[in-house]
Parts: sequence; structure tokens; C-alpha cells
Amino acid sequence: GAVVSQHPSRVICKSGTSVKIECRSLDFQATTMFWYRQFPKKSLMLMATSNEGSKATYEQGVEKDKFLINHASLTLSTLTVTSAHPEDSSFYICSAREQSGEQFFGPGTRLTVL
Amino acid sequence: DAKTTQPPSMDCAEGRAANLPCNHSTISGNEYVYWYRQIHSQGPQYIIHGLKNNETNEMASLIITEDRKSSTLILPHATLRDTAVYYCIVRVGGGNQGGKLIFGQGTELSVKP
Repeated sequence: GAVVSQHPSRVICKSGTSVKIECRSLDFQATTMFWYRQFPKKSLMLMATSNEGSKATYEQGVEKDKFLINHASLTLSTLTVTSAHPEDSSFYICSAREQSGEQFFGPGTRLTVL
Repeated sequence: DAKTTQPPSMDCAEGRAANLPCNHSTISGNEYVYWYRQIHSQGPQYIIHGLKNNETNEMASLIITEDRKSSTLILPHATLRDTAVYYCIVRVGGGNQGGKLIFGQGTELSVKP
């Protein structure tokens, strides 16, 4: 299947700093990208949907000023967690959908905020 | 909210078929059923999807009831590497090309020697 990469795979930061996570579709153009977060032993929760060149659509309860999403090209989306706090510590997973509708997930980024 | 319910956990003996049930009684006519699995601390992996007909690929078979209110994922010969959380998902809005995947709680499948 198609490959989606995320960088970094894990990051530890201090409270108050901002962290950027990159998501790339390596061998296809992603018409839409999605960002999920997952707490330990819980399911994935959809945070937002983004289409290339337009503003992301956030799910209810997700703060758009806290979680900035940029979808600059058909192969790259970034999620920036601004002024991170310990409660933002989580596993962040991106997903990319190609034109046929098939949707592939990245390996995830483990964020730990101290 | 997710439109699916699954048992929280199941066990299966290695080499036997694993049958994972899923209820989606509020599914709409053009909504597809997708199955993904997630091995610990990795991203979800696509398994199979279908609309109304039964589907089979190299990984699994998907049996959808005629009224489409439930489905079963079958792993024909489970191996230890199939131990994972299996998510049954109704793709909401947009048929097979649009919409979004809203995850439910999934079934934690343990394949035992």
C-alpha cells in the first residue's frame, strides 16, 4: 500500500513551547489529510480534516488556535501544537487520502510535554 | 460519534479462524464499512472495506448482512502477528471517496499459541 511518513516519531518538549509535526505522503498525492490523537488504551479521535490550500475543518471541541494545521502541498501537512502543556501529551497520527478514496495512516508521533 | 459497536476483546487460537463481529444498525445506504487494525504504538493498517457485497482479499474476508446492520471480519488462519486492536468503521458522508473515518473502541484480538 501507499506510504505515509511522520516526523518526528517522538518528541519531548518543555511546557510552553510549540511543537511541529510533519506528515508526508511519499508516493501519492493526498487530496485530503486528517489528524488524529490517541490517548493510552483509547481509540483514535479525529481532530481535523484539511484539504490542500484551504483552511482545516476542526472537529467539535478541538481548539484551532491550539492545534494549527497547514496543508501547503498535496504531499505535506503539518500540525503545530502551540504552547504545549502536559495535557497535550499524546500519540498524534496523521492520515492521507488519495484521489481513489483509499486512506492510509502514518506511524504516529509520540509527544511528551514536561 | 462512531456508528459501530464491537466487543472489547476476543481470543483466538493460532491457526484457527478469527471472526470479529461489528454492529452498525444506523448505517445509511451509501456508507461503506471499513476495517483497520492497529498494532501497539503504530498507525492503523487498512484491512478491507465493503458496501453490501461480501469482500475478500489476501488479508481477510468481510461478510455484510443483507440488511447491512452488521458485519463480520474473518481472518481465516490467525497468526500471533495478527494480535492487534481491530476497528470496524462506518465511513461517514461522501461514499467511498469522501467523508471521514470516525473510530469506535475496537476489539482487542489476542491470538494465543
